[in-house]
Amino acid sequence: EAGVVQSPRYKIIEKKQPVAFWCNPISGHNTLYWYLQNLGQGPELLIRYENEEAVDDSQLPKDRFSAERLKGVDSTLKIQPAELGDSAVYLCASSPGLRTSRAGELFFGEGSRLTVL
Amino acid sequence: KQEVTQIPAALSVPEGENLVLNCSFTDSAIYNLQWFRQDPGKGLTSLLLIQSSQREQTSGRLNASLDKSSGRSTLYIAASQPGDSATYLCAVRKGFQKLVFGTGTRLLVSP
Repeated sequence: EAGVVQSPRYKIIEKKQPVAFWCNPISGHNTLYWYLQNLGQGPELLIRYENEEAVDDSQLPKDRFSAERLKGVDSTLKIQPAELGDSAVYLCASSPGLRTSRAGELFFGEGSRLTVL
Repeated sequence: KQEVTQIPAALSVPEGENLVLNCSFTDSAIYNLQWFRQDPGKGLTSLLLIQSSQREQTSGRLNASLDKSSGRSTLYIAASQPGDSATYLCAVRKGFQKLVFGTGTRLLVSP
């Protein structure tokens, strides 16, 4: 079974530039998450999708961050413009439905490490 | 607001030792609890998932227990190996709400 795939793995940009991250979840997983992880900290939720619908985006800084999940499969997370404080690892995760044997279990991708100069 | 604490923050042990990592949470009304492993520069790898109705889960040398009433979970690693060196994170989930992570325990197992 293929895992969660993210790209790019690493991205270095100058402040005020835009950046986008892409995520392909595990096939059949309806729920998709974007997390932000700062060094030495646990991940923090940015946004959660149930199929195409963003059901929890309360932690997403909407002035500069946006996300979409077209057709309920792949997702992109965009930052425009990027700021120095956005340097972090952006993690994508997916989970199967609550009627499955692994209900609520999260599976993470390798992450996209962003450095803003 | 759910808060998750992991103790110790860092642990260094010689190879072969059995060890216990601790996770505590403030709101006992959880849906499940999940233990993850994270290697430097990598994503999180799911180790064990304990549903709220369960008291423990086992996978190989790993055993995780859950005591909801006291707001605690432990991850037991038997016969530790250098390859176990990583950061271990626990996370709790309340229904459809977000997973709340602890800050992790950084484990180093020396040969």
